[in-house]
Amino acid sequence: DADVTQTPRNRITKTGKRIMLECSQTKGHDRMYWYRQDPGLGLRLIYYSFDVKDINKGEISDGYSVSRQAQAKFSLSLESAIPNQTALYFCATSDTPGLATPQKFFGPGTRLTVL
Amino acid sequence: AQKVTQAQTEISVVEKEDVTLDCVYETRDTTYYLFWYKQPPSGELVFLIRRNSFDEQNEISGRYSWNFQKSTSSFNFTITASQVVDSAVYFCALSEKNRDDKIIFGKGTRLHILP
Repeated sequence: DADVTQTPRNRITKTGKRIMLECSQTKGHDRMYWYRQDPGLGLRLIYYSFDVKDINKGEISDGYSVSRQAQAKFSLSLESAIPNQTALYFCATSDTPGLATPQKFFGPGTRLTVL
Repeated sequence: AQKVTQAQTEISVVEKEDVTLDCVYETRDTTYYLFWYKQPPSGELVFLIRRNSFDEQNEISGRYSWNFQKSTSSFNFTITASQVVDSAVYFCALSEKNRDDKIIFGKGTRLHILP
């Protein structure tokens, strides 16, 4: 079974609709992230959470909100979707930094289309 | 400021040829981490390698090898005897110690292996 799962894998919605993308992990990591990928732009960080009570904005958080329901679950919401939020969204987890080199584990991605 | 540059937007080679993907990074930190990820057409992100800034040893894993040179701030990736299954977008990424929320991705290089 995959360590990081995302639902749905694909979603088509209309402008103005509220959308929630869900992420679950079985790795036991405290740190979770939401990224957005647009063609030619690489991945950009939307929100990240270092534990259930610690949520932080990334570089492109406007128009998004998140909820860390438990250590294993981190949801991303688009309150009122707009077409330029059409993208591939990735959830990720990482092990605790420190002496060890951190590594991110990515989910399979959710392809969102806003019409 | 951190920055990752993958100057090659798209590369096409014939199967069995060797190909090198370039990655140049910028950071003011003395401790940092470098990564390569593969994104096949199916869309998921596949972790390939991570390297910390104190470990300049080159690494070989099967047909893949990585050349880390701090003097030129480069972390290049070579595929030897390329195969069609190597066709993908490859991302180089950088993060600072204890700031893995700030992992910065390059824009990616799309690699086409032609049969």
